[in-house]
Amino acid sequence: DTAVSQTPKYLVTQMGNDKSIKCEQNLGHDTMYWYKQDSKKFLKIMFSYNNKELIINETVPNRFSPKSPDKAHLNLHINSLELGDSAVYFCASSPLGGTSGRRSYTDTQYFGPGTRLTVL
Amino acid sequence: KNEVEQSPQNLTAQEGEFITINCSYSVGISALHWLQQHPGGGIVSLFMLSSGKKKHGRLIATINIQEKHSSLHITASHPRDSAVYICAAQSLNSGGSNYKLTFGKGTLLTVNP
Repeated sequence: DTAVSQTPKYLVTQMGNDKSIKCEQNLGHDTMYWYKQDSKKFLKIMFSYNNKELIINETVPNRFSPKSPDKAHLNLHINSLELGDSAVYFCASSPLGGTSGRRSYTDTQYFGPGTRLTVL
Repeated sequence: KNEVEQSPQNLTAQEGEFITINCSYSVGISALHWLQQHPGGGIVSLFMLSSGKKKHGRLIATINIQEKHSSLHITASHPRDSAVYICAAQSLNSGGSNYKLTFGKGTLLTVNP
């Protein structure tokens, strides 16, 4: 009955490969996110989806492509992996997180366990 | 661009001590989040607040919107509180279409028995 799950937990791959990380939430939340935590433990938002619609796309290389087949899933596909992509990637979800007119709102975020990606 | 600064970067305390971690941010926000990252890597949301104070068990979070400052306090600290504590400021993203979280660099807390 895990709330936010990610697979795989560990991913070791060669430079140049293409890989995917999957995320699923069973909380019925509307919004999902991908965050990257670098080697210095600094977290940074990458993407946010609200009801399968891309809301936030920070300055992330277009080798990273999020895909949301339904609002319970947000997968991250990475093409042509580079050494600098090595990090821990966290998926998260929140009940709210959209905008209503000029008002934006969010709610408590629930994080997945993280996927440690190592590019050799 | 919102800058989020946390202090101290590292904090070591003895069990039972009162602990304060500070967070300041540079632009107006709609909410401030406090997160806890366990030594095993998992991240848990502790608080989300936009004004005043919130309390949960031994944890208290306060925010002063005018001063752009928030604090996380832990009363009667315990070794199991050892973790990284991260504050994140919620503000509109550059496109103005939704909020985004900007994270501080975290405070590593070690509580010794």
